[in-house]
Amino acid sequence: DVKVTQSSRYLVKRTGEKVFLECVQDMDHENMFWYRQDPGLGLRLIYFSYDVKMKEKGDIPEGYSVSREKKERFSLILESASTNQTSMYLCATLRNTEAFFGQGTRLTVV
Amino acid sequence: SQQGEEDPQALSIQEGENATMNCSYKTSINNLQWYRQNSGRGLVHLILIRSNEREKHSGRLRVTLDTSKKSSSLLITASRAADTASYFCATDAEFSQAGTALIFGKGTTLSVSS
Repeated sequence: DVKVTQSSRYLVKRTGEKVFLECVQDMDHENMFWYRQDPGLGLRLIYFSYDVKMKEKGDIPEGYSVSREKKERFSLILESASTNQTSMYLCATLRNTEAFFGQGTRLTVV
Repeated sequence: SQQGEEDPQALSIQEGENATMNCSYKTSINNLQWYRQNSGRGLVHLILIRSNEREKHSGRLRVTLDTSKKSSSLLITASRAADTASYFCATDAEFSQAGTALIFGKGTTLSVSS
């Protein structure tokens, strides 16, 4: 079974803080993704990576950056957290065409 | 945005009834997938249909695809309370020569009451 693990289920951070969301996969998949999910907006793609040190902007990259130093780990970074980044964040990997998701991190920025 | 749309946004039915959800997308695709999300969890893959297929079945799930209308439907037959979840369609989108990602729609929330 593919396992995608996100470091935190719930996170509360203050406005202006630098926030790291970590995602680790155990199946040697090349493609990894970060989405955010908001009520009524569904899942929106923030960034993805198709190889170590390679990254691509998704539909809503503003305010975010990513890091992929090792194949199994893909980090989402909020350089200076703002209240409008309060959301559910979902990490996923891709095997052929099928996506495998982590359990999600619910981030609240106060 | 390349994001697709599901319709309806919310659906409430009784156990034993059929549930139909629709998905419209914007660009040409290689395949379309449906995913399920239980409350507050990650998404789980249900079924994939390729662009050259018109219909596919898996257990109580039936998916159709109409590429001329850029639309798909997911039918769940004989619904159970355990089918209560949100359902999303996903299409592949090329962001660059090297990068292909899955783009998800906004989802349909299905509530099945006993």
